[in-house]
Amino acid sequence: NAGVMQNPRHLVRRRGQEARLRCSPMKGHSHVYWYRQLPEEGLKFMVYLQKENIIDESGMPKERFSAEFPKEGPSILRIQQVVRGDSAAYFCASSPSSGDRETQYFGPGTRLLVL
Amino acid sequence: AQSVSQHNHHVILSEAASLELGCNYSYGGTVNLFWYVQYPGQHLQLLLKYFSGDPLVKGIKGFEAEFIKSKFSFNLRKPSVQWSDTAEYFCAAGAVGTDKLIFGTGTRLQVFP
Repeated sequence: NAGVMQNPRHLVRRRGQEARLRCSPMKGHSHVYWYRQLPEEGLKFMVYLQKENIIDESGMPKERFSAEFPKEGPSILRIQQVVRGDSAAYFCASSPSSGDRETQYFGPGTRLLVL
Repeated sequence: AQSVSQHNHHVILSEAASLELGCNYSYGGTVNLFWYVQYPGQHLQLLLKYFSGDPLVKGIKGFEAEFIKSKFSFNLRKPSVQWSDTAEYFCAAGAVGTDKLIFGTGTRLQVFP
C-alpha cells in the first residue's frame, strides 16, 4: 500500500516564477491537508481539501497561494510569483474517508528553494 | 489561542540513556494528541497517538507517551535510546471534530554510540 506521494521532492524557482506542488493521497483516503515548514519551525497548517472542495483554508496566505483537489488526479498547491520567503518544505497529509479520520499520514515533502 | 509547546529544542544522549521529551498544549476543548518522528531525509511518521481512554499510550519502536490532563501535557518517553533514534520529534494536537493539526516546533534528538 503506497503511502502519500509528493512530487517533485525538490523544486528550485527564481523570484516571480510559479511553483506547482503535487500530492497523491494514500489509497482510500479522500481528505488532503497541506502544511508548510519554515526553517527551524514546526509545521503550520495551510489548507484542508476533499475532492473538489476546499474545506478549511484558514492557514493559506491571502495572495499568490491556491490549492485544488480535482475529482481525478492529485491535489495541487500552486504558488504564483514566488518570493524568497516562500522557501520552505511543503508537506501533504491524507486521512481516510471513514474509520480513523482524525489520523493524518504524511508524504515526504517538497522542498522549495526560491533564488 | 491554540498552541503546542516543545521546550527541548535539542537533546543529546548516549545510547542506553532514558529519554523524555516534553510537550504541552493549550486548547479550549477536547483534543487528540500525536507524536510524529522525522528521520534525516525522510517524511514524518506517526509514532503514537492519544484520542481517549488509557492515558498511557504505547507506540512503535518502544516509545510511549503519557497524557496528563491536569498539566496539559503529553510527554514522550523511551527507557533506553538507540543511535537509530536520532531524528526530529514533533508533538501535535488537533481539536476533536476538526481536521487541523497544530504542531510544536520540534525537538532534535542526537544519540551517540
